[in-house]
Amino acid sequence: DVKVTQSSRYLVKRTGEKVFLECVQDMDHENMFWYRQDPGLGLRLIYFSYDVKMKEKGDIPEGYSVSREKKERFSLILESASTNQTSMYLCASREAGTAQETQYFGPGTRLLVL
Amino acid sequence: GNSVTQMEGPVTLSEEAFLTINCTYTATGYPSLFWYVQYPGEGLQLLLKATKADDKGSNKGFEATYRKETTSFHLEKGSVQVSDSAVYFCALSEEGYQKVTFGTGTKLQVIP
Repeated sequence: DVKVTQSSRYLVKRTGEKVFLECVQDMDHENMFWYRQDPGLGLRLIYFSYDVKMKEKGDIPEGYSVSREKKERFSLILESASTNQTSMYLCASREAGTAQETQYFGPGTRLLVL
Repeated sequence: GNSVTQMEGPVTLSEEAFLTINCTYTATGYPSLFWYVQYPGEGLQLLLKATKADDKGSNKGFEATYRKETTSFHLEKGSVQVSDSAVYFCALSEEGYQKVTFGTGTKLQVIP
């Protein structure tokens, strides 16, 4: 059974803290994605990676960075957390190839920044 | 650029009612179209997909037909159950692009 896991389901952090969100997939997928989900806005792409050490900015990369040192792991970093980064964060992976490929999502991390 | 527009929710239906959730899209080429579902407290999972015009995707009693002439991919189910209560996302993906474009989601609540 395919699996995408995220390091935490819930996190509470303080403004200015550095925050690490980790995502691991066991499907040997080349592509991995980080989204944030907010009411009324749907899913917005923060960053994605199409290979180890390769990354591209999504639609809302400001205030975030990412790291992909191994194929199975994709980390999202909030360099200095702010209250407007309170959100649900979703990681996904997908086989590289055609547009028909399915994305597989983790359960999400709900982050509260105080 | 690409975009997906879904009907706003929430949608509240009684059990066994007919469901339609509208989805229209804008794309430069010939995208693949998807419906993902998010049950409470979970991540998204694929519900169904269609990869070319006039294809019908189906799963768990849900159906959607890829209509190129109306650029639509409406989700339907003949008789909803309480367990169908979730948020439904329409999405598209184009060849040559790594990104997937999602709609804003439609929350469905089914009451007994």
